[in-house]
Parts: sequence; structure tokens; C-alpha cells
Amino acid sequence: AQSVTQLGSHVSVSEGALVLLRCNYSSSVPPYLFWYVQYPNQGLQLLLKYTSAATLVKGINGFEAEFKKSETSFHLTKPSAHMSDAAEYFCAVRYSGGYQKVTFGTGTKLQVIP
Amino acid sequence: GAVVSQHPSWVICKSGTSVKIECRSLDFQATTMFWYRQFPKQSLMLMATSNEGSKATYEQGVEKDKFLINHASLTLSTLTVTSAHPEDSSFYICSAQQTSGSSYEQYFGPGTRLTVT
Repeated sequence: AQSVTQLGSHVSVSEGALVLLRCNYSSSVPPYLFWYVQYPNQGLQLLLKYTSAATLVKGINGFEAEFKKSETSFHLTKPSAHMSDAAEYFCAVRYSGGYQKVTFGTGTKLQVIP
Repeated sequence: GAVVSQHPSWVICKSGTSVKIECRSLDFQATTMFWYRQFPKQSLMLMATSNEGSKATYEQGVEKDKFLINHASLTLSTLTVTSAHPEDSSFYICSAQQTSGSSYEQYFGPGTRLTVT
């Protein structure tokens, strides 16, 4: 079975501060891992994905995530938060290869304080 | 590229009526589409996997007779909520999987807000 755990349903950071959103995964086989962002009343937008290539993955809007197998983690970071980063962020996992369903974490709402 | 649309973006219906939601892949072919449901302040829960030309695979606990899924073409899947009730009010999101080459990327639609009165 596959699952992801997002620590912290709400995270608040000051504008310009480091953003760190935590995600730990559980998978019996090498996983594909994703981070999505969702703005209110909108669908999901892919920020970045890990597909067994480079462990440090760079995404859009200055976000990046590092796959750490030893820690089963895939934390999302951004050096400097911007007001427009305020949104809901979802970590997701699916088995590599073929079409497989994606399992989402419970989400982390990011608040950016001016 | 890789745009997925949903129609309508929001709908209000009366209890007991049926509502159809369309999911279209605009610039690619998708043999597989997924339907998710999202309650307020919660994560996405997969309802069913839709494969073009065959029956959908429903997740445990999802009523297949209530949530009818049709995937008649490589660019269109529909979800029909039959005999809707207020507890069916939710945000429904579809995704389409691009299967060209070795990519299995999923692209999400903008969602449909359903309110049943």
C-alpha cells in the first residue's frame, strides 16, 4: 500500500522567510512523488515531481523538493515566501510504472504574513 | 499543452435530480481519466478510474449506481450524479493521464462545485 503523511495542516511564514512543508511517504516499491498546489475553488497545479532521476527536484515558482530515501521524505521548500504562495499544498504518491492511482496527503495550508 | 477542462464549473440542483459533469482533455488523448471528490478543507479522494471503452473501476465505498461514469472517447469522460442529495454536495475534480510515449503524467481539471439543495 502507498500513503503520504503531511505534517502540519497549517503553516504560517512571514513574507521573505523560508517555506518548509513536510511530507513523508510509505511505499513498498520505488514511488513517484508529487507536490501540487491548489488555490481556492480551483483544481490542482503540479509544482514538481520525482520520478527516480535526480533526488533534488526543482519545480515552478521557485519551489524545490528533495527525495530522501533513508528518511522516506519529500519535503517542499522555497527560500523566500511570497504573498502569492498562500494556498493549499498537497503531497502525493503513486507507484512507478504504468497507470496507477495517485494517493494524496491531507494537505497543508500555507499562510504568508506580510 | 496538456489542458483539462471541466464543465460546468459550478452547478446548483435540487434534491432528487441528476447532474452530469464533463471532463475533457483538450490537446491530448487520455485513455485513462480519474474522478476525485474533495470535501471542504479536506484532501482529494479518488472515486473511480475511467478507461476509454470499458467500465470504470470504482474505489471501495463509492456507489457505482449513483455515480455513473462514461468514457466514450479518448478526450471525454462524464460523471453523472444520479438522484442527488445534499450530502453529495462537494467539489469534483477530474484528471486525465497522458499515455503518449513513456509519460504517465496526470493533468487535473479546474473542478466542478456541486451544490444540492
